[in-house]
Amino acid sequence: ELKVEQNPLFLSMQEGKNYTIYCNYSTTSDRLYWYRQDPGKSLESLFVLLSNGAVKQEGRLMASLDTKARLSTLHITAAVHDLSATYFCAVDVDNFNKFYFGSGTKLNVKP
Amino acid sequence: NAGVTQTPKFQVLKTGQSMTLQCAQDMNHNSMYWYRQDPGMGLRLIYYSASEGTTDKGEVPNGYNVSRLNKREFSLRLESAAPSQTSVYFCASSAQLNTEAFFGQGTRLTVV
Repeated sequence: ELKVEQNPLFLSMQEGKNYTIYCNYSTTSDRLYWYRQDPGKSLESLFVLLSNGAVKQEGRLMASLDTKARLSTLHITAAVHDLSATYFCAVDVDNFNKFYFGSGTKLNVKP
Repeated sequence: NAGVTQTPKFQVLKTGQSMTLQCAQDMNHNSMYWYRQDPGMGLRLIYYSASEGTTDKGEVPNGYNVSRLNKREFSLRLESAAPSQTSVYFCASSAQLNTEAFFGQGTRLTVV
């Protein structure tokens, strides 16, 4: 059974701090996606990681992929309140654009 | 600039009623998806369509049927709604391999 596990599930942090969200998955895959969801809204794509060692950065967010460890990380640098949202990772099973999601990490950045 | 459009946005059903959730995309995408989102469980794939005329079961297909009517439209049908199907349903589409999915605004379904 495929498992996509994120931790932590909840993260409360102060503005200006750094933190990392982890996404572990149980199947072989070298395609990993990160999404953001604001409360009551839909999902928005953040990063597409397509190979071992891939690293993508956008503003205060940086995502990386280690396919050997079956691990992706989403690193937050100097958090700001606007980053408060729920973040999901999704694995492409069988490299067929069939996405399986983690449970999400709810991030709350306090001013 | 519509992207992925879902209807309805909200729906309340009685147990045993049937309904169809509609989804259409205007991005000429090949793949389309139906997910359900429940608190603490992320998104779970119900059904998936890699291309027009094909459909495939996901993680939680029981109690649902789908139709890929054409390249644009992918509908989800609940034949006999149950309270366990109370959820937020998202439709999504993607262009091709190695590209992200684009999501609709969701349908909040309550079964009483």
